[in-house]
Amino acid sequence: GDSVTQMEGPVTLSEEAFLTINCTYTATGYPSLFWYVQYPGEGLQLLLKATKADDKGSNKGFEATYRKETTSFHLEKGSVQVSDSAVYFCALSDRGGSNYKLTFGKGTLLTVNP
Amino acid sequence: EADIYQTPRYLVIGTGKKITLECSQTMGHDKMYWYQQDPGMELHLIHYSYGVNSTEKGDLSSESTVSRIRTEHFPLTLESARPSHTSQYLCATRDSATTGELFFGEGSRLTVL
Repeated sequence: GDSVTQMEGPVTLSEEAFLTINCTYTATGYPSLFWYVQYPGEGLQLLLKATKADDKGSNKGFEATYRKETTSFHLEKGSVQVSDSAVYFCALSDRGGSNYKLTFGKGTLLTVNP
Repeated sequence: EADIYQTPRYLVIGTGKKITLECSQTMGHDKMYWYQQDPGMELHLIHYSYGVNSTEKGDLSSESTVSRIRTEHFPLTLESARPSHTSQYLCATRDSATTGELFFGEGSRLTVL
């Protein structure tokens, strides 16, 4: 079945550092890929998405490129801020049938210190 | 952007009590989902619905039950709460016309003493 493996945390960075959170996936067919962010005490919010190979999703300074050859969707940001402290989830959308369930990674906790 | 509301946000109850977590959405989305999020952050799908009168069990077995009598509402019920049910419960919706993204509510944090 489909699966998502993402970098285990926690990740602790200083403000303005470069961020990479690795995500790889296993899926049949051609899934859509997502990064969600969960701030403390809140639900998940869509951060960015990509629907086909070589697509780059971007939002709020974060980027991720859909790499079919390496089955990866790594999240990057050039300069993190304290306000980026949150849990980040990589996910894929199963296009089999009409179910459209999302499969999530286990989440990566990011803490950014001033 | 979906408007999705969960109540209560926080609930502390004793063992054996019946509880219902409410989830309402105003966007008319057909598909709705309940996820259980454990303290380690991992999300587990426990129920989903494709539309009115449609409910299915998710990937993680749960003693909770759900109903979908109206498109807007997808309540989750525990008949007899136990400490093992202590968790964060997240409701989500999906628009069939999009690329598969889910829209989440802010969650209901349940603590069973």
